[in-house]
Amino acid sequence: AQSVTQPDIHITVSEGASLELRCNYSYGATPYLFWYVQSPGQGLQLLLKYFSGDTLVQGIKGFEAEFKRSQSSFNLRKPSVHWSDAAEYFCAVGAGDTGRRALTFGSGTRLQVQP
Amino acid sequence: ETGVTQTPRHLVMGMTNKKSLKCEQHLGHNAMYWYKQSAKKPLELMFVYSLEERVENNSVPSRFSPECPNSSHLFLHLHTLQPEDSALYLCASSQADRGTGELFFGEGSRLTVL
Repeated sequence: AQSVTQPDIHITVSEGASLELRCNYSYGATPYLFWYVQSPGQGLQLLLKYFSGDTLVQGIKGFEAEFKRSQSSFNLRKPSVHWSDAAEYFCAVGAGDTGRRALTFGSGTRLQVQP
Repeated sequence: ETGVTQTPRHLVMGMTNKKSLKCEQHLGHNAMYWYKQSAKKPLELMFVYSLEERVENNSVPSRFSPECPNSSHLFLHLHTLQPEDSALYLCASSQADRGTGELFFGEGSRLTVL
């Protein structure tokens, strides 16, 4: 069974500082990996995804993530955080859409941005 | 606008009430999902419908009853709920049998059970 671990429950960074959110996954084959962002009271919005090819993927809002198979990791990064990035971030793993298995989500990392 | 619309956005109900949550997707997808999001808990997958067939039911109590009349609509019927059922209920859709499994989420229905 697939699983996702986000070790950091809560992270605080200063505006303009760099950011890295950690994600480790467990899956027997090549996974499909996703990062979603959720603002308070809202649904989840896709930031970026990886399923093949270049292991460094670019997403929306200036985010990027790197797939490292040897470390079973898919960490999310941003070089300079903006106050509007304050939200909750979820990493998810999937097996490709067979129509019978949904994504498995991590427990999320809440990002707070200090002025 | 994500292409997935959930109504109502907020719902307050007593434990003896019967209500329904509605989800509609305009993306041409053929799989739909209900997730439950409680405070300080991971997203919990409740139900999956693929090609209008229920393919997953994660030990959800019978007081939650899903219905998927067609590939664009998904309902969650609620009856005799408990206060611990208060949560954000998220609907999502995807294209089954091809693609990466990416989910497209609605904005959620915030349920409060008194």
